[in-house]
Amino acid sequence: SQQGEEDPQALSIQEGENATMNCSYKTSINNLQWYRQNSGRGLVHLILIRSNEREKHSGRLRVTLDTSKKSSSLLITASRAADTASYFCATAEMYSGGGADGLTFGKGTHLIIQP
Amino acid sequence: DAGVTQSPTHLIKTRGQHVTLRCSPISGHKSVSWYQQVLGQGPQFIFQYYEKEERGRGNFPDRFSARQFPNYSSELNVNALLLGDSALYLCASSWAGRQETQYFGPGTRLLVL
Repeated sequence: SQQGEEDPQALSIQEGENATMNCSYKTSINNLQWYRQNSGRGLVHLILIRSNEREKHSGRLRVTLDTSKKSSSLLITASRAADTASYFCATAEMYSGGGADGLTFGKGTHLIIQP
Repeated sequence: DAGVTQSPTHLIKTRGQHVTLRCSPISGHKSVSWYQQVLGQGPQFIFQYYEKEERGRGNFPDRFSARQFPNYSSELNVNALLLGDSALYLCASSWAGRQETQYFGPGTRLLVL
């Protein structure tokens, strides 16, 4: 089952603009991670934010986490054509009852940067 | 340093057949996880192994099995293939598990006819 739900499902912006993607989840988490996937290949890790953190930066990326609302956002500033990809949030649940011990991914946001 | 490697990159099988997918983690990583990604969806967790023992299993039927070897490489086996098993199978490695950054391989694309 998928826990995270990204919003929007698809986003098209002009190069140089900022892109914001949101993720909502359902259970208590230890951390939340954002990944990028190009053309249906392997995922690339972008940022990990722990449940006791509220904001994290990495280069042009800014991630926020609101555990009270069970939501996170990913902001990409000054977008480039190379940022065109699918972006996924993934949660590491705090209680992995039933033996499941993997990340739970959302369906992703497909981002298109228009030149 | 080499990243996570997976083999084969592509595979075509027919219904009812068996398939084995292979994964080599980043050197020093002791945890390997397997995910299935159906077209248009996010990856779904299948298995996690740590130090050669199964640590977790997702909601997949018993036709799916895996193991981890002493060198920390891993195999995913799927028996009695169904059309719905067509997907991208991703392997991820980390030092110790899901609480950390996962490093994904390029995946094996399986098509079941």
